[in-house]
Amino acid sequence: KAGVTQTPRYLIKTRGQQVTLSCSPISGHRSVSWYQQTPGQGLQFLFEYFSETQRNKGNFPGRFSGRQFSNSRSEMNVSTLELGDSALYLCASSLAYTAGANVLTFGAGSRLTVL
Amino acid sequence: AQSVTQPDIHITVSEGASLELRCNYSYGATPYLFWYVQSPGQGLQLLLKYFSGDTLVQGIKGFEAEFKRSQSSFNLRKPSVHWSDAAEYFCAVEMGMEYGNKLVFGAGTILRVKS
Repeated sequence: KAGVTQTPRYLIKTRGQQVTLSCSPISGHRSVSWYQQTPGQGLQFLFEYFSETQRNKGNFPGRFSGRQFSNSRSEMNVSTLELGDSALYLCASSLAYTAGANVLTFGAGSRLTVL
Repeated sequence: AQSVTQPDIHITVSEGASLELRCNYSYGATPYLFWYVQSPGQGLQLLLKYFSGDTLVQGIKGFEAEFKRSQSSFNLRKPSVHWSDAAEYFCAVEMGMEYGNKLVFGAGTILRVKS
């Protein structure tokens, strides 16, 4: 079955712009998590959605937002881009939102460069 | 604070040699434990996981890991490394419900394999 699909794979934006990244989870997976990966900070948790509801949120400013649709697809948005937002954004899906069930399957990521 | 420590940023081993990547965590209870691998330009792939039971777990690609409660460790091992194992390896810990079942990643260990 198809894996986690993230689009676009690469994008370049300038400071002050906004960006929307998309994630299609594995069929049947209802939980979607987003992570930011940078060389300096490693993998930082952004947020997790389950059944269209945000269940968990990391320590990121309000410029970072997300949502999940009824078909479990998710989008994240970053507004007023800053140079420090340059990163690989990883989406991961899992079957459910319960302890021990968070076996995440990751997509290949969206590489955002902010100039 | 809850944390995951991978003390080795880089490790270089010769092809055919054995490998051990270290992971220590700080968490009051027994967490769920994972090892992921990331090849350049790719997302993360699950190598193995520990939920309960036998403390020695087997994973894909010939990897195994041992959970040691007394040392709060979950070290990854492979008896004979192949050149294709060169990648970055992440230890991850799922914290409990009190932390929203959040998955916390270590900073990663980059493995280089020399021929």
